[in-house]
Amino acid sequence: QSVLTQPPSVSAAPGQKVTISCSGSSSNIGINYVSWYQQLPGTAPKLLIYENNLRPSGIPDRFSGSKSGTSAALVITGLQTGDEADYYCGTWDSSLSVGMFGGGTKLTVL
Amino acid sequence: QVQLVESGGGLVKPGGSLRLSCAASGFSFGDYYMTWVRQAPGKGLEWLSYISSGGDNTHYAASVKGRFTVSRDNAENSLYLQMNSLRVEDTALYYCARECDIGDCVDQWGRGTLVTVSS
Repeated sequence: QSVLTQPPSVSAAPGQKVTISCSGSSSNIGINYVSWYQQLPGTAPKLLIYENNLRPSGIPDRFSGSKSGTSAALVITGLQTGDEADYYCGTWDSSLSVGMFGGGTKLTVL
Repeated sequence: QVQLVESGGGLVKPGGSLRLSCAASGFSFGDYYMTWVRQAPGKGLEWLSYISSGGDNTHYAASVKGRFTVSRDNAENSLYLQMNSLRVEDTALYYCARECDIGDCVDQWGRGTLVTVSS
């Protein structure tokens, strides 16, 4: 069981918006940056968001991130079938001195 | 372009050892922290370990601490993971990954090498 809690699955129709939450604690999300990763089937993860809300070069602005207190969220707008993937949040835990990922959320675009 | 290529995976019996390697190219390897992440079949990502750019600072997940050792050779642009006392639950795809410049994220991933622990 992950220290960072994500919903196991979310779904929405093409063109719609979806929000994936990531809940942590005061020793991880509460004081450290959150990053988000997309893992398409059969491939390695890919960085989508870093420092809570910044996008690496090449990531479309349909993907956005936010953080408030001990929770973070990834929002995907204008959903496309190609967005079907597993999404993971990640951060550092300053009490445990370890990195960590959420359990992952499977996005289905209906 | 940045490339991370893992090798050394395979089938090993419980209690056995394995050494994974990661060959890095396309960037100044010695300037970056590096990380190992694994993914058991059908499961999520699990952070395992990181090593500082100079190799003098390491951290491990509780699940592998005392059994796994991360190291690097900056002259050879290589990252290693020595895995001892392997357990069935260590069966996973092991990814080598590069930490972001500013830390707190991973911006480059290898394709992974599969480790299977089974009798």
